[in-house]
Amino acid sequence: EAQVTQNPRYLITVTGKKLTVTCSQNMNHEYMSWYRQDPGLGLRQIYYSMNVEVTDKGDVPEGYKVSRKEKRNFPLILESPSPNQTSLYFCASSPHHGLAESTDTQYFGPGTRLTVL
Amino acid sequence: AQSVTQLGSHVSVSEGALVLLRCNYSSSVPPYLFWYVQYPNQGLQLLLKYTTGATLVKGINGFEAEFKKSETSFHLTKPSAHMSDAAEYFCAVSDPMKTSYDKVIFGPGTSLSVIP
Repeated sequence: EAQVTQNPRYLITVTGKKLTVTCSQNMNHEYMSWYRQDPGLGLRQIYYSMNVEVTDKGDVPEGYKVSRKEKRNFPLILESPSPNQTSLYFCASSPHHGLAESTDTQYFGPGTRLTVL
Repeated sequence: AQSVTQLGSHVSVSEGALVLLRCNYSSSVPPYLFWYVQYPNQGLQLLLKYTTGATLVKGINGFEAEFKKSETSFHLTKPSAHMSDAAEYFCAVSDPMKTSYDKVIFGPGTSLSVIP
């Protein structure tokens, strides 16, 4: 089954304790992205990756790191989490990063709800 | 800079009634436009998208949207609401002069309730 998986689905942590949220896709997609969702703000892009070893900042990258060592995985790293990073996080992938093909779509993971105390 | 507005953070309709969710964008060039749906405790799912060509776009679950350049709008409609349509709906845009998904801007979302 084609899917994007995220782990953990729920996480409660404390300020300053490093954490990693994993994201994996089994569709051989080139493009992967991380978003955070906050009430009234919709989804905001944190980082994206157009292929292995190619990453770039989205609109809200501060406090986050990513890596793309393998095509299927795109972990999100919070080196020193703070309460303002409490949010719902989504990973997404799509086949290409080029001009939108008519059949191209972006697949989203189920989300990770993070609480930083 | 691009932006997306969705009029009405919450919309309620009766079962069987018309669904109309509004989306307006600001962009210096006609963008690519998307509607996503998010069911409770799930990720987002693409409903439909407009890139080029026909301005009336049909999507899944009976939804459609029309791109109106003169009005900078991309409103989502469905002729007859079903209970299963209750969800959060997001409009999104991306700049066609750049890669397709590297800068996707989402609207704040509209929560749709369907009353039996």
